[in-house]
Amino acid sequence: NAGVTQTPKFQVLKTGQSMTLQCAQDMNHNSMYWYRQDPGMGLRLIYYSASEGTTDKGEVPNGYNVSRLNKREFSLRLESAAPSQTSVYFCASSSRTGGDYGYTFGSGTRLTVV
Amino acid sequence: TQLLEQSPQFLSIQEGENLTVYCNSSSVFSSLQWYRQEPGEGPVLLVTVVTGGEVKKLKRLTFQFGDARKDSSLHITAAQPGDTGLYLCAGARTGNQFYFGTGTSLTVIP
Repeated sequence: NAGVTQTPKFQVLKTGQSMTLQCAQDMNHNSMYWYRQDPGMGLRLIYYSASEGTTDKGEVPNGYNVSRLNKREFSLRLESAAPSQTSVYFCASSSRTGGDYGYTFGSGTRLTVV
Repeated sequence: TQLLEQSPQFLSIQEGENLTVYCNSSSVFSSLQWYRQEPGEGPVLLVTVVTGGEVKKLKRLTFQFGDARKDSSLHITAAQPGDTGLYLCAGARTGNQFYFGTGTSLTVIP
């Protein structure tokens, strides 16, 4: 089925470990996003890529890096995981940035940092 | 401080009842979207409203964008258990970012 695919679905890390969350979309969308979802905080934007070759910080970028590998793939890296990064991470894509273009979300990665 | 406040935070109703959830802000948005999220899944887009005062209907769901484009409501008629989920509003401002509300968790009891 067409959509946004995230891997892994679950991950447990020890404090200080690093990992990369992978995201791929097959809808030929230009824009891709990484969000984190925490109880009572809603979805908060970490980084986004308006088009291939560009990335920009969102609301909560500290502790994260991203790579827009090509038009399909947008990865999120945690260099030195901290317990505060325990969250559910969602990747999303849209045909363009801007308010008229809805997001398609992946099913999420549930990350626990101990 | 959340840019978009949703109310109520939790709602539990019987099948067949009507309900309204609200999404409010002091900021103006160029458009607003509503999503539904089920446990273990990502949000799924329900509707986008872009014009102040706009009303859109999706079967038993009615969405309204406030005249001043600062708020929105979602009304569900004759709720069904399949409507259970987390309802999220998201507003777009100038630039490329959406701001999500904290959501309303709806449970429809058969």
